[in-house]
Amino acid sequence: DTAVSQTPKYLVTQMGNDKSIKCEQNLGHDTMYWYKQDSKKFLKIMFSYNNKELIINETVPNRFSPKSPDKAHLNLHINSLELGDSAVYFCASSQDQAGFGEQFFGPGTRLTVL
Amino acid sequence: RKEVEQDPGPFNVPEGATVAFNCTYSNSASQSFFWYRQDCRKEPKLLMSVYSSGNEDGRFTAQLNRASQYISLLIRDSKLSDSATYLCVVNNFNKFYFGSGTKLNVKP
Repeated sequence: DTAVSQTPKYLVTQMGNDKSIKCEQNLGHDTMYWYKQDSKKFLKIMFSYNNKELIINETVPNRFSPKSPDKAHLNLHINSLELGDSAVYFCASSQDQAGFGEQFFGPGTRLTVL
Repeated sequence: RKEVEQDPGPFNVPEGATVAFNCTYSNSASQSFFWYRQDCRKEPKLLMSVYSSGNEDGRFTAQLNRASQYISLLIRDSKLSDSATYLCVVNNFNKFYFGSGTKLNVKP
């Protein structure tokens, strides 16, 4: 069973389009995250949710809107895609909101904006 | 200044070698520390947490030096399967900061 799953795995789209990435975890964790990994391999936190509530929003353009319908799901919608949005987006979850525990990552969504 | 800095490598070592990576962090109030491993085109996975007293897991030893704000990872008796990128991770008040990773290539 996949602990943290993301769909789609690959996304190729034109500039200006709107797209969504879905994430689901079956670990029963309360905290979920979105990260962006750019071409230089830096993994940077974008958002963190705890039990459906937004707790971290890291100066991400408001074209990015996360939505958590329940604590097992955290989706990411991106409006008006730009070339600089091309990256790998990872969803993650952890049981521990305070950050002392392990994070479990999804397989990533490789977004290419043309 | 970046929150977490690592030597990107690559470190090219023969099987059986001992290799050490260091990582420095900028915020002295950082609360928890980890090493993650990321294989090519895969997601990061926890290798080990790092405790103030130092900790060991098989061939892997992690150390934390709060006074100098650095974290180290020592791998003994390297295996081909250790080839990967090793990410240093620091947590400040619920935010995780990742280093850009140190690439390790273990050669036969």
